[in-house]
Amino acid sequence: KAGVTQTPRYLIKTRGQQVTLSCSPISGHRSVSWYQQTPGQGLQFLFEYFSETQRNKGNFPGRFSGRQFSNSRSEMNVSTLELGDSALYLCASSPGSGANVLTFGAGSRLTVL
Amino acid sequence: AQRVTQPEKLLSVFKGAPVELKCNYSYSGSPELFWYVQYSRQRLQLLLRHISRESIKGFTADLNKGETSFHLKKPFAQEEDSAMYYCALNTGTASKLTFGTGTRLQVTL
Repeated sequence: KAGVTQTPRYLIKTRGQQVTLSCSPISGHRSVSWYQQTPGQGLQFLFEYFSETQRNKGNFPGRFSGRQFSNSRSEMNVSTLELGDSALYLCASSPGSGANVLTFGAGSRLTVL
Repeated sequence: AQRVTQPEKLLSVFKGAPVELKCNYSYSGSPELFWYVQYSRQRLQLLLRHISRESIKGFTADLNKGETSFHLKKPFAQEEDSAMYYCALNTGTASKLTFGTGTRLQVTL
């Protein structure tokens, strides 16, 4: 069974640009969550999507957005990039109901110059 | 607001020694607690959850609601236990976890 796949794995952007990250969950999983990991703040919850609807949202500015498609694949977008957005962005999937056990992807490492 | 505290950034133990990774949480309701582990160059993965009450790779963790703690324990550390360990709290039905800052466990010979 394929795991959670995130693309791209690495990317470099400059301030002011925007970026889109993609996540393909485990087959059959309907929930996709996104987390930001930085050395200073650790792992922070961004948002969760379930059946194409945002079910929960963390404390991030509106520049951070996401969506989920009918096949459960998810994308997150960050607009007007700032230096502080440099981080590892982790996607995790789960069945979505019952057990809240997350399976994480390898992450997308974003560097903002 | 909920919070997870892992007081130790680094815990260094000798092989064969007991291990205890501390985790305290703040939440007034019924928490759901997890330990996630990240081995070198691997993905973050679930180690165990309090609901399961099972032992994984020799590790156990008991939820103590009175002390609001969920410490991770292993009687005899192995070299392969060296990794980053994160305690996490879920306070709702959705997959929104609040993570602690993590503890790096270093097992030396």
